[in-house]
This record gives sequence, C-alpha cells and structure tokens, in this order.
Amino acid sequence: EPEVTQTPSHQVTQMGQEVILRCVPISNHLYFYWYRQILGQKVEFLVSFYNNEISEKSEIFDDQFSVERPDGSNFTLKIRSTKLEDSAMYFCASSYGRSYEQYFGPGTRLTVT
Amino acid sequence: SQKIEQNSEALNIQEGKTATLTCNYTNYSPAYLQWYRQDPGRGPVFLLLIRENEKEKRKERLKVTFDTTLKQSLFHITASQPADSATYLCALRGGATNKLIFGTGTLLAVQP
Repeated sequence: EPEVTQTPSHQVTQMGQEVILRCVPISNHLYFYWYRQILGQKVEFLVSFYNNEISEKSEIFDDQFSVERPDGSNFTLKIRSTKLEDSAMYFCASSYGRSYEQYFGPGTRLTVT
Repeated sequence: SQKIEQNSEALNIQEGKTATLTCNYTNYSPAYLQWYRQDPGRGPVFLLLIRENEKEKRKERLKVTFDTTLKQSLFHITASQPADSATYLCALRGGATNKLIFGTGTLLAVQP
C-alpha cells in the first residue's frame, strides 16, 4: 500500500542553524501538508501546498519557514534559523484532493539544542 | 475560538467490549471529520472520514457517527483487542480550508 515517507527520522541541530526536512508524498496525490506536534500537545497545522504554491498557512508558519517541491516526488520544509521552541515532531501529509482524507508520514523528530 | 474536546484523558476497557470515544466541538461548522490512530512516537494513521451530510460510517470493527446538531462525533470499536490500544485523534476540516484541526486525543487501553 502506498505511504508517505519522511527523512531523516531524527534530526538534532543547534539553535540558529538551518534544517531541511524531506518528504515523499503518495505518488498520485495533489495536495501536500506539513504539521507539527510538540511533545504532549496536539497536532498543529503549518502549511498546505497545491499546484506548486502555498494554498494556506498558519500563524506558526512565519518567514523562518519555507516549503518547496523541488522535483516530481519530494516535498521539503526548511527552517532557516532554528529556535529551541521549534523542537517537535514534524509530519508531512498528502491527499488526493481537498475533500479526501489526509495520509501522514511517520514524522521527523527535530531536536534543537 | 474553535475548540475540540475528546473525552477523558484515558479510557480503559476489557478485551471484547465496545470502546466508545467522543469528540465534541464548538464555534465551528466542519464539512469533514476524520478519525486517526496514533501510536507513541509515530504519525497519525487514517481510520475513517465522515462528511457533514452523513450520519454514520462503518469499516470492519469501526463505526463513526456525526451529529452536526449536537456538534459531536462518536467513534466505536467493537470487539476490542489489546492491539487496539493507542491514542485516537479526532480532526475537523471546514469546507473552505485544507487544514485539519486536531483534538488532544483519547488514550485507549484494552486490557486482556
């Protein structure tokens, strides 16, 4: 069964460094998303992406964040200058259409020291 | 502001019984409601989606209901098994938005 994959599974970085989290959505899906979950808290929406542009973003997704679909299969989230409070699990998700269910990847645990 | 509440932090039941989990919401009119399972340190796994014009959906041992008047969804697992032990998340989405808004989840523990 097709699934969303994410790399790396765990990323440790120092405050102020840039990180890129990578995702391969399900191949025939058209909508892509990033969510994050701080330990012990709810899953929170960051951004959605469709037709090579951001379709919606949350207040969390400020100028330090960016997303890109560099080729036909990858979808990336970049954090330019990481802060301690960016430490969280980051989940990529994809869906076939807007009214369809979203499938999540296994997540990347980001630890900022 | 929008609020999603899921019943009790933990639900303990005996194997073979039916588990019923609740999702209540306020200040929101979702077009879709989705239920996910999440194991520790893992991503949410999609279980069922129900639309605002649907009352009930079933999939194997799972059943979800959606009452837009009560602003509530119930999620049932019949003939529960210890392998069903996990956190179950309710997520809502409006018609004009792509984002899912998640509840805090209910931890289900099925005792053998």
